[in-house]
Amino acid sequence: GAGVSQTPSNKVTEKGKYVELRCDPISGHTALYWYRQSLGQGPEFLIYFQGTGAADDSGLPNDRFFAVRPEGSVSTLKIQRTERGDSAVYLCASSRTANTGELFFGEGSRLTVL
Amino acid sequence: GEDVEQSLFLSVREGDSSVINCTYTDSSSTYLYWYKQEPGAGLQLLTYIFSNMDMKQDQRLTVLLNKKDKHLSLRIADTQTGDSAIYFCAEGDAGGTSYGKLTFGQGTILTVHP
Repeated sequence: GAGVSQTPSNKVTEKGKYVELRCDPISGHTALYWYRQSLGQGPEFLIYFQGTGAADDSGLPNDRFFAVRPEGSVSTLKIQRTERGDSAVYLCASSRTANTGELFFGEGSRLTVL
Repeated sequence: GEDVEQSLFLSVREGDSSVINCTYTDSSSTYLYWYKQEPGAGLQLLTYIFSNMDMKQDQRLTVLLNKKDKHLSLRIADTQTGDSAIYFCAEGDAGGTSYGKLTFGQGTILTVHP
């Protein structure tokens, strides 16, 4: 597609469950980012991939959060043992290279943990 | 760590100019960005300024940077109802692994009245 695609757009789950959120970046973009946006706040950096490798995961809040990008394109953000505090919109963005702050964002996946 | 602050709300009349202000803390930031978020859409880069510039103009948008005071502003001339959105100021992590690792402010909700 022409833009960054994220699925699902909405996910409601129960506390303690496992969740996967998927991101399909713009074709040819080597850098991929995950951000988290809580209500009334700006996006917060979680993790960044350059190609297949996680170049910087310093924003992941704890070890329940993990992300992969096995073939250097699609990425999956995985959250284990979800907690109510994980409820937020998870944003994915891609850019042509890592040498730019011109990020192209998807519409986000809204996660609600009951 | 980096911190970016913005005023939360701005209300203007159609045709007037809007000025959205932002302060940041990281004096080593190389680039500063303005992103726009509309309901149901991903964040979109509006404009950016390199830290060695004082001003940048792009059609109706003017960015002013006061590096001494760490103050950034976005002026929108002839504001239209379609400009109603949330505007985020962001700074790049110049000392980090990627220019795309951004620190965002909490956003300014711009409301334009007819």
